This record gives sequence, structure tokens and C-alpha cells, in this order.
Amino acid sequence: DAKTTQPPSMDCAEGRAANLPCNHSTISGNEYVYWYRQIHSQGPQYIIHGLKNNETNEMASLIITEDRKSSTLILPHATLRDTAVYYCIVRGYGQNFVFGPGTRLSVLP
Amino acid sequence: NAGVTQTPKFQVLKTGQSMTLQCAQDMNHNSMYWYRQDPGMGLRLIYYSASEGTTDKGEVPNGYNVSRLNKREFSLRLESAAPSQTSVYFCAARTGTASLNTEAFFGQGTRLTVV
Repeated sequence: DAKTTQPPSMDCAEGRAANLPCNHSTISGNEYVYWYRQIHSQGPQYIIHGLKNNETNEMASLIITEDRKSSTLILPHATLRDTAVYYCIVRGYGQNFVFGPGTRLSVLP
Repeated sequence: NAGVTQTPKFQVLKTGQSMTLQCAQDMNHNSMYWYRQDPGMGLRLIYYSASEGTTDKGEVPNGYNVSRLNKREFSLRLESAAPSQTSVYFCAARTGTASLNTEAFFGQGTRLTVV
């Protein structure tokens, strides 16, 4: 079973920041938080991952709470092409990626 | 550098027919995976291969077999296709199962319909 809980859907206005929450209250010390997205049933695309520090790359920022029980993926300036299903995954040593239903983000013009 | 390549992209089978889905990666990654995704659902792991020569069952292995032909290739076989196997199949590759800090790369999927 997926170790994360995400809202089933969210809307965001084009050009605004999209903040996607993820709850992972049972995360253990050596487990990473990964984010993927899937556009139009294409193959999932890696976005970002982190352990406990906040992370940023060219696609997004990942904010992990100090207790690591939740995180937020931030797309700073959402575009229509960011409309997708976003998956938050917790993975530890020797474990495989387990995908839940994710959050369907709709970026609105 | 193509990453992960799946063939075919689309396939229609009759119930009881067999076929093999092919997956190849050019990233020299140790671990490879097969997932299926049904409409409106997340991906579910069918089989994985942590390294060349090894394979293990995932969450939904029944009705499938796999073969890790070499480090590059990981095939998924349906011996007797059933309508319940109608799905989109994704192959993925990653540096290593035991490695914590690496991401998986996915192919673009094979859309299989069993009639």
C-alpha cells in the first residue's frame, strides 16, 4: 500500500504557484520523499526528491516539514502544460516505488 | 540517448493469445520494473529485476512472466491473455533497488487491449 495521502484533485490559475500537499505521517528515518507526474497517460516523469532538507531544481521545489510527516511540492509559476496527475511516493532502502492515486492538478487559463 | 524504450506502443490481442512486451534501457541501470496502470488508477508493480539474472514478483504478478535477458532488456510475457489484462504497461529502470537516492526513469507505455 502507498504510504502517502494526497488530495484527489486541485485547481490552480495559470501563472500562479501550485502547492501540492502530501501526508506521510508514518515515514521512517531512511525513507525519501519522491515526486513524479504523469501527463495524459504518458510514462511518469521524475520531478524531485528529498530526505529532510528542502530541495529545489529547475522544475519545482520540495518543502519537507521538520518532523518529516508531510511535504509540499511547489510549482512556482504553473502553466497549462503542468496539468497532470502528481504522485508523492515514500521509498526506503531496498523498496520499490509504490504509486497511489495521486493528485490531479488542473491549471486553468 | 533514448532512456527507456518500449515496444510495441499499441497492441490488440484476442483472449487466449500470447505476446511479449519488450523493454530496453540505454542508461546501464541495474534495476528494471514492469508496472500496469488501469484507467483512473495509480501504477501497480507486476515484476521487477534488481539486477541482471534476478527477477521478483511485485504486487500483481499473476498471469505474467518476465525475463531479464541481459542488463539492457527486460521483457514481460502474457502466456494466455485475458480481458482483465487490458491496461497500459510501463517499464522503468533505476540505478539499483538498494540505492536510496536515485530516481526511476519510465518508458512511454504499451497500450494493450484484450478482446
